Amino acid sequence: AQSVTQLDSQVPVFEEAPVELRCNYSSSVSVYLFWYVQYPNQGLQLLLKYLSGSTLVKGINGFEAEFNKSQTSFHLRKPSVHISDTAEYFCAVSDGANNLFFGTGTRLTVIP
Amino acid sequence: GAVVSQHPSRVICKSGTSVKIECRSLDFQATTMFWYRQFPKQSLMLMATSNEGSKATYEQGVEKDKFLINHASLTLSTLTVTSAHPEDSSFYICSARPPLGQGGYTFGSGTRLTVV
Repeated sequence: AQSVTQLDSQVPVFEEAPVELRCNYSSSVSVYLFWYVQYPNQGLQLLLKYLSGSTLVKGINGFEAEFNKSQTSFHLRKPSVHISDTAEYFCAVSDGANNLFFGTGTRLTVIP
Repeated sequence: GAVVSQHPSRVICKSGTSVKIECRSLDFQATTMFWYRQFPKQSLMLMATSNEGSKATYEQGVEKDKFLINHASLTLSTLTVTSAHPEDSSFYICSARPPLGQGGYTFGSGTRLTVV
């Protein structure tokens, strides 16, 4: 079975500073990995996904994530955050079937 | 890209009434759709998997008779919260996966249900 751990429930960071949101997963099969963002009172929006190929994945809004198989991690990074990046971020893993497992989310708060 | 439309975005209803939430795949056919519920400060929890033309598969602890799911066509799934109570107030989100194994689930914009 798959599971996802997001160790940081809240991450405050100053505007224009870099940020890393951590995500670790466990799985006995090959996985697909995703990061979703949820802005206040909105649904989820896909930031980026890893299906295969290059382990460094670039997404929307300047975010990127790196798949590290040996460490079973898929951390999300952005070199310089903006106020508009304040949101809830969810890491998710899929086994390629219809199963999608979410982490508990990380609240990113960008401080002016 | 693949788009999932969810309606309504917000609904307020009286305790004891029923509320229907629609989830439509606009530019693709979805044989399977998923309904999630998000509790405050918690992650999404899968409620049920909606299968076109057959009964939905509910996760453990989800009341089938309370959360009625209908997937009558390849582009529409509905979730009806029956006899709603204040504790049903939550954020409900549907999702579907486009065909051809693209791997990216597409989510609706969510429905904020408030039961008063």
